[in-house]
Amino acid sequence: AQTVTQSQPEMSVQEAETVTLSCTYDTSESDYYLFWYKQPPSRQMILVIRQEAYKQQNATENRFSVNFQKAAKSFSLKISDSQLGDAAMYFCAYRSAMDNYGQNFVFGPGTRLSVLP
Amino acid sequence: NAGVMQNPRHLVRRRGQEARLRCSPMKGHSHVYWYRQLPEEGLKFMVYLQKENIIDESGMPKERFSAEFPKEGPSILRIQQVVRGDSAAYFCASSDSPYQETQYFGPGTRLLVL
Repeated sequence: AQTVTQSQPEMSVQEAETVTLSCTYDTSESDYYLFWYKQPPSRQMILVIRQEAYKQQNATENRFSVNFQKAAKSFSLKISDSQLGDAAMYFCAYRSAMDNYGQNFVFGPGTRLSVLP
Repeated sequence: NAGVMQNPRHLVRRRGQEARLRCSPMKGHSHVYWYRQLPEEGLKFMVYLQKENIIDESGMPKERFSAEFPKEGPSILRIQQVVRGDSAAYFCASSDSPYQETQYFGPGTRLLVL
């Protein structure tokens, strides 16, 4: 079974600075997807960024980028120019891309990010 | 295009009562996933349904929990004889195919069992 680990329960960053959230995962599969979801105090789950494992190029979405290291099974999220609205719980998630029907997500335990003004 | 809708957003039940949680997927989506989030934890998969079919219920507790996704209407997660340990946030997600890599989440239903 796949597992997702986020070793940082809490992180803080100064406004306008850069922060990196760590995520590692364990799988025997070669094809899969990785995601970062943001959960603000409203508790809505918001997709931040996703990465296809077969792509070597790291995904980028505006101020959010990932460092995907497939061999190391690492998938960190970098937030540049942090804003107060970035404060939230961040969840790393794994989803198989195998032929199995409708694979569900496996989520990590989350990292609570605080942004200091 | 409206997103995934869940209602109620907050639900309070006394021990022994039934809880019914509703999920309307995004327009055009026929695949629904239910997840449970206990306090200070990540989301845990419960069940995956397609219209009129349960595809994968490997994460669902064996007793008191059931789910359906009828041909017409929303998906329903039903919890019978609730206990305090059922207090959690329940999230629904949807996709337009089982092979779509991204699932879109609703705002969740917060269940509190007194």
